[in-house]
Amino acid sequence: AQSVTQLDSQVPVFEEAPVELRCNYSSSVSVYLFWYVQYPNQGLQLLLKYLSGSTLVESINGFEAEFNKSQTSFHLRKPSVHISDTAEYFCAVSDVSGGSNYKLTFGKGTLLTVNP
Amino acid sequence: ETGVTQSPTHLIKTRGQQVTLRCSSQSGHNTVSWYQQALGQGPQFIFQYYREEENGRGNFPPRFSGLQFPNYSSELNVNALELDDSALYLCASSHGTGDYTFGSGTRLTVV
Repeated sequence: AQSVTQLDSQVPVFEEAPVELRCNYSSSVSVYLFWYVQYPNQGLQLLLKYLSGSTLVESINGFEAEFNKSQTSFHLRKPSVHISDTAEYFCAVSDVSGGSNYKLTFGKGTLLTVNP
Repeated sequence: ETGVTQSPTHLIKTRGQQVTLRCSSQSGHNTVSWYQQALGQGPQFIFQYYREEENGRGNFPPRFSGLQFPNYSSELNVNALELDDSALYLCASSHGTGDYTFGSGTRLTVV
């Protein structure tokens, strides 16, 4: 069985400050890793993903995450946040060997609040 | 290309009733998954359909059932609704690679 732990339920930061949202996972097999963002009263939007290759992955809006297999982590970072980054962020994992069944296991989410 | 669309966006049902939620998958996607997101929680996997067959199920009772149609659209049916079924129900589609596109969800309130 897989599990995902997001270590902070809420992260308040000031605009233009750096931020790190932490995610650790547990799995007995190789995994794919994802970060999703959810704005109020909306569904999930894929922010970035690690499937294979380079362990550092980047999004188009300045977020990046690094897959660390030895520490089973996939922390999300941004060097300078904007008010518009205020949202709930979810880390998720799926089993690489799932065949056609790649169910996602999500963490409980981290609410990022960017203050002026 | 169109994304994943879900209907309705909101609905209110009475305890004991039955509900059907609908999902149109993204063009070219043959796999559909359903998730339940309770307030303040992460989404929980309900089940997945691949080419009209259920090929994975989470820890949900049998009163949660589904269908996938030849055009890969899908339905989620919940019988004998309970108050704890109140949640955001999310549909996600993929072309079988584990890379999912999510819809905006259906907010179900059971009173």
